[in-house]
Amino acid sequence: EVQLVESGGGLVQPGGSLRLSCAASGFTFSDHYMDWVRQAPGKGLEWVGRIRNKANNHTTQYAASVKGRFTISRDDSKNSLYLQMNSLKTEDTAVYYCARGVDTVPFDYWGQGILVTVSS
Amino acid sequence: SYELTQPPSVSVSPGQTARITCSGDALPKKYAYWYQQKSGQAPVLVIYDDSKRPSGIPERFSGSSSGTMATLTISGAQVEDEGDYYCYSTDSSGTDRVFGGGTKLTVL
Repeated sequence: EVQLVESGGGLVQPGGSLRLSCAASGFTFSDHYMDWVRQAPGKGLEWVGRIRNKANNHTTQYAASVKGRFTISRDDSKNSLYLQMNSLKTEDTAVYYCARGVDTVPFDYWGQGILVTVSS
Repeated sequence: SYELTQPPSVSVSPGQTARITCSGDALPKKYAYWYQQKSGQAPVLVIYDDSKRPSGIPERFSGSSSGTMATLTISGAQVEDEGDYYCYSTDSSGTDRVFGGGTKLTVL
């Protein structure tokens, strides 16, 4: 059974940093690209960024709203995905989901999400 | 930046057909994907590559795409189909990855 479990969320002040983790199980993690998607309270889904698999050199891609502030990384030996968030703004407040992708199909499995609140 | 446009809400009675549209300039060249999100839950993939249904998704869910519009059809909608539905696709270069604004489906 595919499982994705996010952790590391919480309350942080504007300008602060936070690192989210996503633990994967039930599939060959290294074969898949992975994404982060967020959802502000009461709002729609917003793609945050992607990290490709080893065959694609772990290249990354980011939404314009987070580029230069957020960094996605992965440790295939630990079946783990990370999202380092720096220079956080109040508008980054959201539930953050990690999601798996395969071939042409993005977000075929999702984690349960983790809440990040940026507030003073 | 690229945009996908969905109607904010769709309402049908149980057993009726619900159609949710998603319009975007690159849809003639790029696949559309559809995700269902029930209240308080993570999204679930219901249609991929315009019209393919993942295993475990009921046959009443179908998808199509023509020109700049993709459509999710729920034939014989049921109360348990209520929730928010999001389309997803990319711009023609594949670099701008976006979700539509979401459509709230009410079945009552």
